[in-house]
Amino acid sequence: NAGVTQTPKFRILKIGQSMTLQCAQDMNHNYMYWYRQDPGMGLKLIYYSVGAGITDKGEVPNGYNVSRSTTEDFPLRLELAAPSQTSVYFCASSPTVSRQFFGPGTRLTVL
Amino acid sequence: GENVEQHPSTLSVQEGDSAVIKCTYSDSASNYFPWYKQELGKRPQLIIDIRSNVGEKKDQRIAVTLNKTAKHFSLHITETQPEDSAVYFCAASRATTSGTYKYIFGTGTRLKVLA
Repeated sequence: NAGVTQTPKFRILKIGQSMTLQCAQDMNHNYMYWYRQDPGMGLKLIYYSVGAGITDKGEVPNGYNVSRSTTEDFPLRLELAAPSQTSVYFCASSPTVSRQFFGPGTRLTVL
Repeated sequence: GENVEQHPSTLSVQEGDSAVIKCTYSDSASNYFPWYKQELGKRPQLIIDIRSNVGEKKDQRIAVTLNKTAKHFSLHITETQPEDSAVYFCAASRATTSGTYKYIFGTGTRLKVLA
């Protein structure tokens, strides 16, 4: 199994641009999550999903959107990038309601 | 709102000594407490977890203790080695109405093990 994969690894955006961060898992996990990690800080939950077609907001959802059309994929969309969205983004998945396994992260810079 | 306080923010120990990292949570409904290790530029990796019906759990050189009354939990690493150097995150979580768990993470402890 590849586990949780994320693309791209790095990205630089200009203010106002849009992009989609991709996340996929091949472990048939129902639960998936998006976090952001600012420098020297812990992880903040952006959005999560308990299964295909079901998503919900986390602590810091503003400026982001998600969709979950399949069990495997959970893309995160930034519509109008702002400097405050400069961060490292981690996707995670979980086979049960508790343990979470993280992807390698996407480092995003907005200039 | 819910939060998790983690101390210390940095910790330096001599190789072979023990390291202790402490977390305090505010949500009394929290019932699952994982600890993650994150090496520089890498993803967080689960190293140990504990549920609220258990007071202590040990896995080789790593142990976690939980005091539900005081809403404290701690990570203990014995016989530290240079490869233990990393940032450690605690989290407190509870089930949501939609059937999953929401994690609240601490701000991390940077552990340096000096050879």
